[in-house]
Amino acid sequence: SAVISQKPSRDICQRGTSLTIQCQVDSQVTMMFWYRQQPGQSLTLIATANQGSEATYESGFVIDKFPISRPNLTFSTLTVSNMSPEDSSIYLCSVALTGPETQYFGPGTRLLVL
Amino acid sequence: AQTVTQSQPEMSVQEAETVTLSCTYDTSESNYYLFWYKQPPSRQMILVIRQEAYKQQNATENRFSVNFQKAAKSFSLKISDSQLGDTAMYFCAFILAGGSQGNLIFGKGTKLSVKP
Repeated sequence: SAVISQKPSRDICQRGTSLTIQCQVDSQVTMMFWYRQQPGQSLTLIATANQGSEATYESGFVIDKFPISRPNLTFSTLTVSNMSPEDSSIYLCSVALTGPETQYFGPGTRLLVL
Repeated sequence: AQTVTQSQPEMSVQEAETVTLSCTYDTSESNYYLFWYKQPPSRQMILVIRQEAYKQQNATENRFSVNFQKAAKSFSLKISDSQLGDTAMYFCAFILAGGSQGNLIFGKGTKLSVKP
């Protein structure tokens, strides 16, 4: 597996602002992903963070709302833009060491938007 | 589209006993992977066990084992000798094999409480 850290671990934000979440891995990984877990719900994939190119977004998620960067093989950021209370969720990054079939998750970032 | 269903929103078990969590899934594909993830109150998602669809043998990891019934599209998790630290949300997840994207499909989860 891999050691994955996320910053911040939690935050409280005002509506209309943006928050950037960082995901750092202790080794180079082939793939990195961002998921959202709304309160009391399961996880939903937001996008695949591609190194050196634009992220691949799932249906219902757009780059303007969730811009993603992946400058190298160990680091990625997710920005939640122009936040509303509906964005209150846990945001988790995951990594795959070889193919995407087995993913390991970071500790998550708990976001509350007021 | 693939779906994953966990029909037990909550379960409880006495410490040291055995509990089985249910999961069914739907897909028209034949090559895929199934997983059980554990999410304790600390919210860290932990991979518990993984099963490749092409393997008939059920996966086992220490006290955790699965009963994989491919024809029935069933994938249950058995936890033996339950411990207090097993208290968590358990998510069943599915992913197609051979793809380039990482869309793990999760069930809604089962909240397991282990009682002393």
